[in-house]
Amino acid sequence: DAGVIQSPRHEVTEMGQEVTLRCKPISGHDYLFWYRQTMMRGLELLIYFNNNVPIDDSGMPEDRFSAKMPNASFSTLKIQPSEPRDSAVYFCASTPFEADYNEQFFGPGTRLTVL
Amino acid sequence: GIQVEQSPPDLILQEGANSTLRCNFSDSVNNLQWFHQNPWGQLINLFYIPSGTKQNGRLSATTVATERYSLLYISSSQTTDSGVYFCAVASGYSTLTFGKGTMLLVSP
Repeated sequence: DAGVIQSPRHEVTEMGQEVTLRCKPISGHDYLFWYRQTMMRGLELLIYFNNNVPIDDSGMPEDRFSAKMPNASFSTLKIQPSEPRDSAVYFCASTPFEADYNEQFFGPGTRLTVL
Repeated sequence: GIQVEQSPPDLILQEGANSTLRCNFSDSVNNLQWFHQNPWGQLINLFYIPSGTKQNGRLSATTVATERYSLLYISSSQTTDSGVYFCAVASGYSTLTFGKGTMLLVSP
């Protein structure tokens, strides 16, 4: 299996611009997670989906952030408008979440820089 | 929510040395994972170990769920082991909570 795929790997944009991050989970995994990593806050969960339905978005920092999962093989995280404090590495992860096995597998991340 | 504490925060080793990293957690868990974040930022799965002991080459891990801690052992360390080691836990099928990590530097 190819693993979790994220694109782009690096994104540099200017404050106020819209940013869209993309994720393809491992085939057959029912759960998809978006995490953000910063020096100040470490790795924190933003939102997760089960069978394409958002389950918990309490980690989404504010209304400028939105996430969608239109089908089992694709999810997006959008920031509009972007701000310099959004600069971070954004990870996507997926898991089969079976009753006795729910190891999460992470993508390579997208390093976002907002100038 | 569940609390995760990792120690030590930083560790410097000579190549060939052994080390033990510790992860304490505040509640019962049904998922515990160890990750290595390499210098390129990638999170590499090392172990899925909510209980028991596992070994993979020079690395091994033990989780004592009843006492709420896990240990990661690195033997005969190599420069490629450098990076940050994260412990992450989940309780009751909730999402992963990460510790702050142990930054390891292995010098030649």
